[in-house]
Amino acid sequence: QVQLQESGPGLVKPSETLSLTCTVSGDSITSYYWSWIRQPAGKGLEWIGRMYNGGSPNYNPSLKSRVSMSVDTSKKQVSLTLTSVTAADTAVYYCTRGGGGYDYSDRWGQGILVTVSS
Amino acid sequence: DIVMTQSPDSLAMSLGERATITCKSSQNVLYDSTNRNYLAWYQQKPGQPPKLLIYWASTRESGVPDRFIGSGSGTDFTLTISSLQAEDVAVYYCQQYYSVPLTFGGGTKVEIK
Repeated sequence: QVQLQESGPGLVKPSETLSLTCTVSGDSITSYYWSWIRQPAGKGLEWIGRMYNGGSPNYNPSLKSRVSMSVDTSKKQVSLTLTSVTAADTAVYYCTRGGGGYDYSDRWGQGILVTVSS
Repeated sequence: DIVMTQSPDSLAMSLGERATITCKSSQNVLYDSTNRNYLAWYQQKPGQPPKLLIYWASTRESGVPDRFIGSGSGTDFTLTISSLQAEDVAVYYCQQYYSVPLTFGGGTKVEIK
């Protein structure tokens, strides 16, 4: 049974860089899309971007200048970096797997709350 | 970007009643060459990550009860809970995966009356 676990700092200062890692267990990391999705408290879901092993990432244009993603197949990890964070980036960040080689998210991590505050 | 509009924002139904949520996309999400609608539905309970219920607009994910029914095509979609159970209290989201950026509806909160 595939499991996704997000990790990283829970508190980031304004203007600094948010870095998160998603570790995949129980299945291959290849042949799937991997996405990051975030959710501010009490609000809806926002897609941040996706990666496919060996391919170019796609990012949400609303974040494109600040976001980058990468996949480390040897460690079975997917990483997210978001630069120049503000309070508006405070949210629960989820790592997800695209089902069947497509983009619907069939597996989700438990999420990690990241708070941007000084 | 494709805008996804859900309605209603919330609904309260009695146990056993039918609950219907609609989702409209600002552009067609039916891919002609595959005749598939790139539309998914998720259920999110408090304190939990979303859970995939339906993909390809009408294909139930493994283990999802058959009271959850997805329908629609093109730009208009519906999620029906045929007989509402207490454990169905949650927020439901639609999502298009036809094109990037992937986008979600604003969510519909389902409660028991």
